[in-house]
Amino acid sequence: DTAVSQTPKYLVTQMGNDKSIKCEQNLGHDTMYWYKQDSKKFLKIMFSYNNKELIINETVPNRFSPKSPDKAHLNLHINSLELGDSAVYFCASSQGGLVTEAFFGQGTRLTVV
Amino acid sequence: GENVEQHPSTLSVQEGDSAVIKCTYSDSASNYFPWYKQELGKGPQLIIDIRSNVGEKKDQRIAVTLNKTAKHFSLHITETQPEDSAVYFCAEHGSSNTGKLIFGQGTTLQVKP
Repeated sequence: DTAVSQTPKYLVTQMGNDKSIKCEQNLGHDTMYWYKQDSKKFLKIMFSYNNKELIINETVPNRFSPKSPDKAHLNLHINSLELGDSAVYFCASSQGGLVTEAFFGQGTRLTVV
Repeated sequence: GENVEQHPSTLSVQEGDSAVIKCTYSDSASNYFPWYKQELGKGPQLIIDIRSNVGEKKDQRIAVTLNKTAKHFSLHITETQPEDSAVYFCAEHGSSNTGKLIFGQGTTLQVKP
């Protein structure tokens, strides 16, 4: 029973395309996140939603737009994909507040060609 | 600013030896310090964490120490086994309630049988 699941696991697409990554958590958590892991394995937060409300936006280009239809789902839509967007994107969730163990999904490896 | 420095970037040990990974953070208001293990093709998974009111925490073969004055915290793995081979990340969580984690650069640990 997967706690944080994201789809797809792999995504290969051409420059200029628009793509979406979906994430769902069944942990009952209030807060969900998107992290980006670059080719050097550096993990950096992109967005955070708490109960469907955006609370963190880490100066990510406007081409990235998160959407949270409910607190169990957080999707990431990327417009006009660029080569530099190639990375592994991780969805995560936590209860939020000071109890902040974050549970990560298995990642989506995005390759822009 | 928010910054976590992690060393070393790679670490190779013989099975049975100990491994130590060190991190330094900059935000004096940080109060939660988790360690994550990332195996190949998977998302990061929490292995141990420590809060600012505790100096040391142990869980079987792994332990974490925290020196708030020096803003240092370290992960110690004893009696290493080949299955400990992975990338390890330290992180800090500041005083805000956003759940945002600032990660170190990661340490690739290789345990040779």
